[in-house]
Amino acid sequence: DIQLTQSPSSVSASVGDRVTITCRASQDIDTWLAWYQHKPGKAPKLLIYAASSLQGGVPSRFGGSGSGTVFTLTITSLQPEDFATYYCQQAKSFPPYTFGQGTKLEIK
Amino acid sequence: EVHLVESGGGLVRPGGSLRLSCAASGFTFRTYWMTWVRQAPGKGLEWVANIGLDGSEKYYVDSAKGRFTISRDNAKNSLFLQMNSLRVEDTAVYYCATEGWLRKFDDWGQGTLVTVSS
Repeated sequence: DIQLTQSPSSVSASVGDRVTITCRASQDIDTWLAWYQHKPGKAPKLLIYAASSLQGGVPSRFGGSGSGTVFTLTITSLQPEDFATYYCQQAKSFPPYTFGQGTKLEIK
Repeated sequence: EVHLVESGGGLVRPGGSLRLSCAASGFTFRTYWMTWVRQAPGKGLEWVANIGLDGSEKYYVDSAKGRFTISRDNAKNSLFLQMNSLRVEDTAVYYCATEGWLRKFDDWGQGTLVTVSS
């Protein structure tokens, strides 16, 4: 199975800050990576697919990059609604699809 | 607008069974692969199973093989997850999601809680 490791596991930031989350894959997954935002009690929301493509309706302050084994999700100018847990997910190989362990973005 | 509504969760004893349903609307259900993802309390997201367009292709995470069965009814725009021999570690919120182009999980339901406890 392909393992995904996210860092950091949690991060504190302020409204207006820039935040970067890293996802490392245990093997080459080309650009078969997606990012999701998840808030408690809500449905997860797709933000980025194919490593860098912005899902329709997602604000442009969200950006993804990377290929191979190292990927990043960057949120520029944090907004209050962005405080949530973020997950990366590999779609290169299944079964199983796998997710990273999550990064909790908290208000400083 | 895509709408996915899960149901069928509840409290069940270890070894028991439960059947989850996911009612889909707002899109052409028969043209999408569908997937189940779960989140145990305090844990991250875990993919459970997916199913192809006509139901002939099905895949499972190892922990679900032999116990869970995914199925679909395209005529009724519905997705199912039959869960047998349930274990305490199956306790989680179960989400259904569409699996679109490039294997991305485009749309998700709100989830249904399954609690396995004696």
